Amino acid sequence: DGGITQSPKYLFRKEGQNVTLSCEQNLNHDAMYWYRQDPGQGLRLIYYSQIVNDFQKGDIAEGYSVSREKKESFPLTVTSAQKNPTAFYLCASRPGTGLSYEQYFGPGTRLTVT
Amino acid sequence: AQKITQTQPGMFVQEKEAVTLDCTYDTSDPSYGLFWYKQPSSGEMIFLIYQGSYDQQNATEGRYSLNFQKARKSANLVISASQLGDSAMYFCAMREGPGYGGSQGNLIFGKGTKLSVKP
Repeated sequence: DGGITQSPKYLFRKEGQNVTLSCEQNLNHDAMYWYRQDPGQGLRLIYYSQIVNDFQKGDIAEGYSVSREKKESFPLTVTSAQKNPTAFYLCASRPGTGLSYEQYFGPGTRLTVT
Repeated sequence: AQKITQTQPGMFVQEKEAVTLDCTYDTSDPSYGLFWYKQPSSGEMIFLIYQGSYDQQNATEGRYSLNFQKARKSANLVISASQLGDSAMYFCAMREGPGYGGSQGNLIFGKGTKLSVKP
């Protein structure tokens, strides 16, 4: 079955530690995205990548970093510089460049930093 | 200014009845796409329906239809014959075309509407 996997589902970290969230897709999609969702809020774009070895900042990139060394993988690192890292993180991918292509989402990782 | 506005934080509907979830958008791009996603309590985002700005007819997918009023910049989701499993958050999103930030395929999301279906 093709899809997007994010692991783990729940992640707990101490303040001051960096943490990396995994996102893997076997859909052969070029474009991948990371979103953050806070309670009662919509999704906000953190980073996106249209192709391997290339990525751009989204609306709220401060305190986050990404890499795209393989087409299938787009890990997100939440650094200690991120002031409020506790949130629900969603990874997505997209099959094409046309307007009508929807984004496919993974199941998400809920990160709690104390 | 918000590009996607969902004015109903929460809605209740009786099982088997129809419900309309509101979405208004703001863009100066003549070419754009509108999407609706469902987010159950488990968290995953499920794509429901798409409407392109040049589409002549309102989009339909099973029990979902989109009431697209271009002049009013609204794209309301209509769910017919509500089921208990429809209880979830619903998000409206927009993608603008190339030249308006849409060339990267990014979606702009509203804050969502929480729908509760009563038995």
